[in-house]
Amino acid sequence: GDSVTQMEGPVTLSEEAFLTINCTYTATGYPSLFWYVQYPGEGLQLLLKATKADDKGSNKGFEATYRKETTSFHLEKGSVQVSDSAVYFCALAGLHAGAQKLVFGQGTRLTINP
Amino acid sequence: SAVISQKPSRDICQRGTSLTIQCQVDSQVTMMFWYRQQPGQSLTLIATANQGSEATYESGFVIDKFPISRPNLTFSTLTVSNMSPEDSSIYLCSVPLTNTEAFFGQGTRLTVV
Repeated sequence: GDSVTQMEGPVTLSEEAFLTINCTYTATGYPSLFWYVQYPGEGLQLLLKATKADDKGSNKGFEATYRKETTSFHLEKGSVQVSDSAVYFCALAGLHAGAQKLVFGQGTRLTINP
Repeated sequence: SAVISQKPSRDICQRGTSLTIQCQVDSQVTMMFWYRQQPGQSLTLIATANQGSEATYESGFVIDKFPISRPNLTFSTLTVSNMSPEDSSIYLCSVPLTNTEAFFGQGTRLTVV
């Protein structure tokens, strides 16, 4: 079945550092890919998405490119801030299942120190 | 977007008891989803709640353990029955934004002692 594998955390960085959180997936066909973020005490929020190969999703300085050849959707940010501290989830929506069956990675806890 | 209110936000319960989690959405939606996030694990879909019909459960989840109500298009409840420490998790409800995206509540953090 479909699955998502995320870089294990926790990840701790200093402010203004470069961030990469790796995400790879296994799926039938070409799923839609997402990054969700969960700030402390809040629900999951959609951070960015890509629906087809070579698409780049971006939001709040974060970017991720849908790489079909490597089945990856790595999250990057050039200069992180303390406010980026949160748990990040990579997810996919299967071709036929859609929003009903989002498949999530295990989450990566990111802490940014001033 | 949608505003989803989930209650309670957290609870500590005795084993053998049951807890009902409420999910209220600020707009009418056909489908509502319930997820579980066990400690250190990813989110797993428990069931899909459709108004006017019985919930559809995923493999590994049964109605006797996780009964769901969906009395109208803006509200749903999930009950965790006869709880054990293994049920300690975060439970989240969500609604679809589009056919591929979902919007989530803030979750209910349940600890069973």
